[in-house]
Amino acid sequence: EAGVAQSPRYKIIEKRQSVAFWCNPISGHATLYWYQQILGQGPKLLIQFQNNGVVDDSQLPKDRFSAERLKGVDSTLKIQPAKLEDSAVYLCASQDRNNSPLHFGNGTRLTVT
Amino acid sequence: GDSVTQMEGPVTLSEEAFLTINCTYTATGYPSLFWYVQYPGEGLQLLLKATKADDKGSNKGFEATYRKETTSFHLEKGSVQVSDSAVYFCALREFSGGYNKLIFGAGTRLAVHP
Repeated sequence: EAGVAQSPRYKIIEKRQSVAFWCNPISGHATLYWYQQILGQGPKLLIQFQNNGVVDDSQLPKDRFSAERLKGVDSTLKIQPAKLEDSAVYLCASQDRNNSPLHFGNGTRLTVT
Repeated sequence: GDSVTQMEGPVTLSEEAFLTINCTYTATGYPSLFWYVQYPGEGLQLLLKATKADDKGSNKGFEATYRKETTSFHLEKGSVQVSDSAVYFCALREFSGGYNKLIFGAGTRLAVHP
């Protein structure tokens, strides 16, 4: 089966600019996650979708971050405006059932200068 | 809240050496425990898991045993190879609001040299 697809692979922007990341999960996977992985740290959950509804966005900085999954398939994560501390790898993962393994994409590495 | 603590890296070993990466957790319930691996330039991959106390997860020569009494899930391998060089993440799965989510440790980088 095809894996979780993410784009772009890399992005460099200046602070206060906006940026968007895209994720296409494995076909049929109802649950989609966005994680932020800062260098030297483990991934931190930003938002979790079940189909097109948000299940958990408690750690999403909602003043600058937004995410949507309009048709319950692919998803976009946006940052506007970006700050230096947003430099990280943004990982998307999908899951088909509650207890099944998460499948991760290769991530988008964001550098904010 | 629930959390995971891993030994700091990097861990540098010679090929065929014995590997241990320590992982301890804090949880209110009885979480499932996981080890994920991230090879250079690749995404996170599930390495092994254990869902209840005394379970042993194993894969590719790696093992980890769920120890409830010490709240630990240490990763071991008897003889490492250069190809095992990667970052290893310990994680637990907690249930909240009817859904589960993974909480990761900070990761431990392993470098194996010939």
